[in-house]
Parts: sequence; C-alpha cells; structure tokens
Amino acid sequence: RKEVEQDPGPFNVPEGATVAFNCTYSNSASQSFFWYRQDCRKEPKLLMSVYSSGNEDGRFTAQLNRASQYISLLIRDSKLSDSATYLCVVKEGYQKVTFGTGTKLQVIP
Amino acid sequence: ETGVTQTPRHLVMGMTNKKSLKCEQHLGHNAMYWYKQSAKKPLELMFVYSLEERVENNSVPSRFSPECPNSSHLFLHLHTLQPEDSALYLCASSQGTDHFVQFFGPGTRLTVL
Repeated sequence: RKEVEQDPGPFNVPEGATVAFNCTYSNSASQSFFWYRQDCRKEPKLLMSVYSSGNEDGRFTAQLNRASQYISLLIRDSKLSDSATYLCVVKEGYQKVTFGTGTKLQVIP
Repeated sequence: ETGVTQTPRHLVMGMTNKKSLKCEQHLGHNAMYWYKQSAKKPLELMFVYSLEERVENNSVPSRFSPECPNSSHLFLHLHTLQPEDSALYLCASSQGTDHFVQFFGPGTRLTVL
C-alpha cells in the first residue's frame, strides 16, 4: 500500500458544481495534513492545513478522519480558476513528509 | 511573487557535466528543502536543512550534493547525472521544520542527455 494515495483523476466538472477528493494515508502515527495546489508547470502552493475538527476557507472545506485514515477536500461552486492538481501532504514526526501524486481537477465552462 | 527564487529555470546538461542549482529565499525562514518531481510521481523529498545543518538525506545518490552556506541560500551540485535524473527540482523553505508550511520556488527543469 502506498504511504499516501490519491485518485489521479482527472475530475472533469462543470462550473458551479461541488467536487470532493479523498486522500488515504497508511501510517496511523501521521500528525499533520495539508492540501497543496499545483497549477500546470508551476510550483505547489499551500491551499489549506487540515485540522482534526475540520476547517473551512471560503468555498473549500477540509476534513480529517483518523479512524479511517483519510483526509478530504470539498470544493463548492467550482470556478474555472480551480482547475489544477491538488496534492495531499502528510507529515509524520519531525521530518518525514510524504506527498501524494495529486488529483487533477478540470472545471469546464 | 519572489519569496523563493531558483536559478536557472531550465538546464540541459550532459552526463559528464558538473552544474549547480541555486535557491534563495527572502522570507526569513530557517529551513530549506530540495525536492524532485518526476512525471506521474509524487514529489520526493531529497534534502532538508534546518539552521544551515543537514537534517535529512533521503537516500539520495551521491551525484547530488547539497550545500547550505547560510539560511537564505541553498545549492544543489550535480555531477555525472543519469538521464533518469531529468525532472523538475523544487526548492522550498519554511519557518522551522516542525511547523510545516512550505513555500516553494518555481523550480529548475533539468534535462540530462
């Protein structure tokens, strides 16, 4: 089993739709979780951290399920500008950081 | 956005060449990282420097040699690379390594012929 696993997609959704991605992780000792966004031929940028209680930032909602070892990202009212690859990041302990391969989202007019 | 800069942005080199990648961060951070991003693969953490000391080396071949002369600069020295080393090399920085919010540079697209 991969340490961090994401559905590569692509997810093709119309503007205004709601879309959700999941990311599973294998190490139950993982401590911190993040979603990064990477546009084509650009560097990754932090989208949001994922807190145990769940957190929301505008149209974006992140959730953590420790029992089932997954995190999720929900995007409401999708915009064309949301088209990107969304990277799940899991941090264990002091140094170990693992990125998922990313889920590609394409929002269609 | 010039928080983390990398030069060169593109590099083509032969297997016998020696080259260096440069990264500079202007954010006052004290930790810097090198990542490798290959097509269809997740980002691979290569090296971590905290307060200019290397704290992580993820089994990276010795043909990659990092150098961190101060907290703002990070280099990756390359020699006798292989074609499979062709990838996007990303530098990142953060304030400490415990609080993981990293800011990435634009990357160097490396092609090894």
